[in-house]
Amino acid sequence: QVQLQESGPGLVKPSETLSLTCTVSGGPINRNYWSWIRQVPGKGLEWIGYIFTFASAKYSPSLESRVRMSLDGSKNQVSLSLASVTAADTATYYCVRLGAGHYMDVWGKGTTVTVAS
Amino acid sequence: DIVLTQSPDSLAVSLGERATINCKSSQNLVYSSNNKNYLAWYQHKAGQPPKLLFYWASTRESGVPDRFSGSGSGTDFSLTISSVQAEDVAIYYCQQHSSTPYTFGQGTKLEI
Repeated sequence: QVQLQESGPGLVKPSETLSLTCTVSGGPINRNYWSWIRQVPGKGLEWIGYIFTFASAKYSPSLESRVRMSLDGSKNQVSLSLASVTAADTATYYCVRLGAGHYMDVWGKGTTVTVAS
Repeated sequence: DIVLTQSPDSLAVSLGERATINCKSSQNLVYSSNNKNYLAWYQHKAGQPPKLLFYWASTRESGVPDRFSGSGSGTDFSLTISSVQAEDVAIYYCQQHSSTPYTFGQGTKLEI
């Protein structure tokens, strides 16, 4: 059974880069699409993007200029990088596996990131 | 972007009652190549990650109780709980997995 565990700093300063890692257990990462979803406090769910291989990533247009995702097959990890953060990026970030039709079938527990000085 | 609008925003029902949540899409979510509706439903309980309930609009994810059902096609979809239980208190989201950017409805809060 595939399990996902997000990790990273809980506090990031404004204008810096938010970096999160998702460690995947129970299966190799190179057979699936992986997404990051976030939820701003009191708001709904927002798709950040997905990655399949190093050459196949797609990002939300609203974040595309600041976001990058990557894969590390040796560590079975998916990473998220979000540059030039502001308080509006304060959210709970979820790592998600996409199923065959790109529905979100496995979710990590989420990690909360606060952007503040 | 595809906009999903859920109704109602919140719903209060008694234990054992039927609850229906609607989701309307700004675009047709059916792919002509496979006749599948690219619409999913999630249950989000406080302090937990969202949980997939249905995909392809009506395909129940393994382990989801059969009191839950998903229906609809094209632009109009519904999630129904035939007999609400206390553990069903959550926010429910629809999501289109048809085209990027993948988008969610605003959520419907179910209360007892």
